[in-house]
Amino acid sequence: QKEVEQNSGPLSVPEGAIASLNCTYSDRVSQSFFWYRQYSGKSPELIMSIYSNGDKEDGRFTAQLNKASQYVSLLIRDSQPSDSATYLCAFGGGADGLTFGKGTHLIIQP
Amino acid sequence: KAGVTQTPRYLIKTRGQQVTLSCSPISGHRSVSWYQQTPGQGLQFLFEYFSETQRNKGNFPGRFSGRQFSNSRSEMNVSTLELGDSALYLCASSLVGTSGYNEQFFGPGTRLTVL
Repeated sequence: QKEVEQNSGPLSVPEGAIASLNCTYSDRVSQSFFWYRQYSGKSPELIMSIYSNGDKEDGRFTAQLNKASQYVSLLIRDSQPSDSATYLCAFGGGADGLTFGKGTHLIIQP
Repeated sequence: KAGVTQTPRYLIKTRGQQVTLSCSPISGHRSVSWYQQTPGQGLQFLFEYFSETQRNKGNFPGRFSGRQFSNSRSEMNVSTLELGDSALYLCASSLVGTSGYNEQFFGPGTRLTVL
């Protein structure tokens, strides 16, 4: 059974601070890991993909992957109120589909 | 480039009816996956199609089915609707049809309400 564990939150972070979101997964074989952002009433939007151990940076977002610990995280620097959303961690893809966590509700306080 | 489109956006049905949802992937994308999202279960994988073939299916009853056409457009069908089928149904397309390294892009979803 493939599983993804995320803290449901809410995670409250002051504007301008770093938001840190974490995720653990059960599948040792998976090679692909993703972070999606979902605003209330909208569909998930892909914000980061990561396939190798280490860090991957894209603008204010940094994804970190540690396959040995089966752990992936997302850092959001200089958090903005528009970053307030639910962040979904996922792994897998292709024919097997993506396995999603339940998501972390992030609130950026102005 | 146009994104993933889904029709209809909203649907209200009664128990026992059937429903067909449609998805048009991003141009050039050949893989289409379907997901169900509910508050209790989150996002769950329904099935994936590539080159008109269903390659895998999630843990859903046979009432849930789908197909893909030669232009990569996909439909999913739910027969004998139950109250528990009320959910947001999401379609996602990806460029490469093989496992791994596939980024999936979601459409806006179809909100199905079963009364």
